[in-house]
Amino acid sequence: GEDVEQSLFLSVREGDSSVINCTYTDSSSTYLYWYKQEPGAGLQLLTYIFSNMDMKQDQRLTVLLNKKDKHLSLRIADTQTGDSAIYFCAEIYTDKLIFGTGTRLQVFP
Amino acid sequence: DTGVSQNPRHKITKRGQNVTFRCDPISEHNRLYWYRQTLGQGPEFLTYFQNEAQLEKSRLLSDRFSAERPKGSFSTLEIQRTEQGDSAMYLCASSSQGDQPQHFGDGTRLSIL
Repeated sequence: GEDVEQSLFLSVREGDSSVINCTYTDSSSTYLYWYKQEPGAGLQLLTYIFSNMDMKQDQRLTVLLNKKDKHLSLRIADTQTGDSAIYFCAEIYTDKLIFGTGTRLQVFP
Repeated sequence: DTGVSQNPRHKITKRGQNVTFRCDPISEHNRLYWYRQTLGQGPEFLTYFQNEAQLEKSRLLSDRFSAERPKGSFSTLEIQRTEQGDSAMYLCASSSQGDQPQHFGDGTRLSIL
C-alpha cells in the first residue's frame, strides 16, 4: 500500500539551515504536504507543493520535489528555537492524507 | 479566526465506558476528516464526510466506532465500550474540496484507565 518514510531525528544549531527528507510511494499524488506539530497540539499546515512543480519557496521554507525518485524535502533557512517540533510529510491518496512517522527537529543554541 | 475546533481537548475515562468527541470545521468547508494518532506515529485516516454523507471508513474503524455529521456542519465521533488500545489523539481536519489542503484542529487526547 501507500507508504511515506522519513528519518526520525534531526538536530541543528540555531541559525543554520535544516533539511528534512521524505520519500513516498504513490506517483499519482496531486499534492504533497508538510505539517508541523508542537507538543500536545494538532497539525499546522506549513506548505504544500503541486506534483507538476519541482520547487516552491515560501519565506524561510523551500520545498523540493523529485518526482522521478519520489523524494520530497523541506529546507528551513535560519532555523530558530521556535522551529523545534515534529515535521510530517504527507501525500494525498484518494482524498486521504498518508503521513510519515514524522521527523523530530531539535534546534540548539 | 474560525479554525477547526475540537472538544474536549482531553478525555480520561475508564475502560468499557462510551465517549463522544465533537469537531466544528472551518465554516465554508464541505469535507471533514477524522484521523487517529498514537504516540510516536503519524496520523492515520479513520473516516471522512462530504457534507453529511460519510464517504469512506478505514478498516481501523471497528464496529465500536461511529461518526456522524447530521447537518453537514459539525461532526461527532463516538467510541463505545472503550479499550486500552483506543488511547490516542483523535484529530479532525476540514477542507473545501478533496484535493485542497486539510486544516487540522488541536485534537482530543483520549486516555483509557
